[in-house]
Amino acid sequence: GNSVTQMEGPVTLSEEAFLTINCTYTATGYPSLFWYVQYPGEGLQLLLKATKADDKGSNKGFEATYRKETTSFHLEKGSVQVSDSAVYFCARPPLLNYGGSQGNLIFGKGTKLSVKP
Amino acid sequence: KAGVTQTPRYLIKTRGQQVTLSCSPISGHRSVSWYQQTPGQGLQFLFEYFSETQRNKGNFPGRFSGRQFSNSRSEMNVSTLELGDSALYLCASSWSGGVAEQYFGPGTRLTVT
Repeated sequence: GNSVTQMEGPVTLSEEAFLTINCTYTATGYPSLFWYVQYPGEGLQLLLKATKADDKGSNKGFEATYRKETTSFHLEKGSVQVSDSAVYFCARPPLLNYGGSQGNLIFGKGTKLSVKP
Repeated sequence: KAGVTQTPRYLIKTRGQQVTLSCSPISGHRSVSWYQQTPGQGLQFLFEYFSETQRNKGNFPGRFSGRQFSNSRSEMNVSTLELGDSALYLCASSWSGGVAEQYFGPGTRLTVT
């Protein structure tokens, strides 16, 4: 089927710590993969994306590499800041049986990150 | 350019009532998708509209409906509200749908009492 699985949160880190949030997808074709971030009281913002295997998406110090061999798209940041405290969602579009794609996104459950000063 | 806007931002209704939420996409975007976000179920897809036609639909009862106007603005309606409909309703727009990245509005927080 079509799904994404994220590591359970919450994740609490000290400022300048290294962050990894795991995300794996079911191996149905090669979907585009996205990370979205939701700050408190706001909607979702696209953080980064990758459209094919071995692509690396990056933005605001965050990176994620599309790894076909492990069906993963883990989010990483070398040094987190208090302002990175938010909920992070991994997402993908569903793929149809004939290989086409729909316009909606399937989201993981979200991982809440809290960064302490 | 202006982002996706949703109105109202907050809404309180009672069971049995109906509600209409509005979404104005980014200028030039023709696809509008709606999602429901709850603590228990997370983010769930409701439906997508493209050029005034519903293109995709999630697994929600018929009480949830929507439409899109010629200027790409979209509305969603929920009839006969239930307590479980309390949620953050998010609208997202994209240029074409498909695998195009989606841009989200701030959401409408609906509380059903």
